[in-house]
Amino acid sequence: RKEVEQDPGPFNVPEGATVAFNCTYSNSASQSFFWYRQDCRKEPKLLMSVYSSGNEDGRFTAQLNRASQYISLLIRDSKLSDSATYLCVVENAGNNRKLIWGLGTSLAVNP
Amino acid sequence: DAMVIQNPRYQVTQFGKPVTLSCSQTLNHNVMYWYQQKSSQAPKLLFHYYDKDFNNEADTPDNFQSRRPNTSFCFLDIRSPGLGDAAMYLCATSTGTGYRQFFGPGTRLTVL
Repeated sequence: RKEVEQDPGPFNVPEGATVAFNCTYSNSASQSFFWYRQDCRKEPKLLMSVYSSGNEDGRFTAQLNRASQYISLLIRDSKLSDSATYLCVVENAGNNRKLIWGLGTSLAVNP
Repeated sequence: DAMVIQNPRYQVTQFGKPVTLSCSQTLNHNVMYWYQQKSSQAPKLLFHYYDKDFNNEADTPDNFQSRRPNTSFCFLDIRSPGLGDAAMYLCATSTGTGYRQFFGPGTRLTVL
């Protein structure tokens, strides 16, 4: 099992749609989880940290399921500007606490 | 604004010609990282510094070296670039390992 696994997509959705991404991780001792957004040929930027209780920031909601070892990202009312790659990032508790990066899920929001 | 700065943004070098990439930060973070990212791949951690302590990833080639002369600056040296080293090189900082990382805009390296 890969340390962090995401469906690469691409997800093609119309404006206004709701879209959800899942990400699974292998290390049950991981403590920190993040979603980053990366635009083409740009650097990754933090979208959200993911907390145990789940958290919401405007149209974006992140959830953590420790029992099944996955995190999710829900985007409501998709905008054209949401088109990007969404990277799931998990702290590897057993190895200097470095961050393990997923390959990313590509989202294209169409007019 | 506090930030992570990388220079140059674009670097072209010849096969085998040494190159140095620069990163500076005004965040006063303890940890600085260098990542390599190729198209459609996840960022790959090359090494990181926790303060002055250097941590090399096991699979980072010897061709890649790094220096951190002070808290604010970190350099990536590629001693003999090969065609396979063409990539985006990302510098990031954090307050500690396992915490959110702040990225610079990256340096896109082309090897001719």
